[in-house]
Amino acid sequence: LAKTTQPISMDSYEGQEVNITCSHNNIATNDYITWYQQFPSQGPRFIIQGYKTKVTNEVASLFIPADRKSSTLSLPRVSLSDTAVYYCLVVPSDSWGKLQFGAGTQVVVTP
Amino acid sequence: GAVVSQHPSWVICKSGTSVKIECRSLDFQATTMFWYRQFPKQSLMLMATSNEGSKATYEQGVEKDKFLINHASLTLSTLTVTSAHPEDSSFYICSARDQKGTGIGNTIYFGEGSWLTVV
Repeated sequence: LAKTTQPISMDSYEGQEVNITCSHNNIATNDYITWYQQFPSQGPRFIIQGYKTKVTNEVASLFIPADRKSSTLSLPRVSLSDTAVYYCLVVPSDSWGKLQFGAGTQVVVTP
Repeated sequence: GAVVSQHPSWVICKSGTSVKIECRSLDFQATTMFWYRQFPKQSLMLMATSNEGSKATYEQGVEKDKFLINHASLTLSTLTVTSAHPEDSSFYICSARDQKGTGIGNTIYFGEGSWLTVV
């Protein structure tokens, strides 16, 4: 499974946009880039997934350059409830669900 | 949507005793489930793959005799921490993928987690 690297922590104020960049230099052709969110004492929750270019849903946007060696999760207009750890993972398309988590990025949103 | 549920949410046990944690897929069948442990302020560490009807596959460094995994049905996997010690205190999380779902990451569901405290 491809290894990912992301910042350990990021601080933001309410209403700002938060962008978290993840490096995955060894991503394979059949890997998808997937982001999860985890609140304290809860299991991770799926946020967004993409293969290339840009993906947007009601929660976030995911930007993936052509070489796919990195990706950026964008959280628009964050609120206090977005304080969480965000994990970037690369997941093979034929995965049975086995995931290897990196350190994740602790995002802290303050008023 | 699909849900994975764990029980108990938290448990306290005495050192030397065993404790069982259940993981259920509530509205889908899962031939494979996964168990993770997470220490405070750390990331999730994959412990083992639970396979329905066969032996679990353990990650390197995880003691299979200490962390017994049973996947007796397509909706239930159990993790038993045997002869628990204080260093086993941790947050245990299970996950499963809904193979009939569309997509990849969005079809992997995690349980709520179970806090184990060994005293």
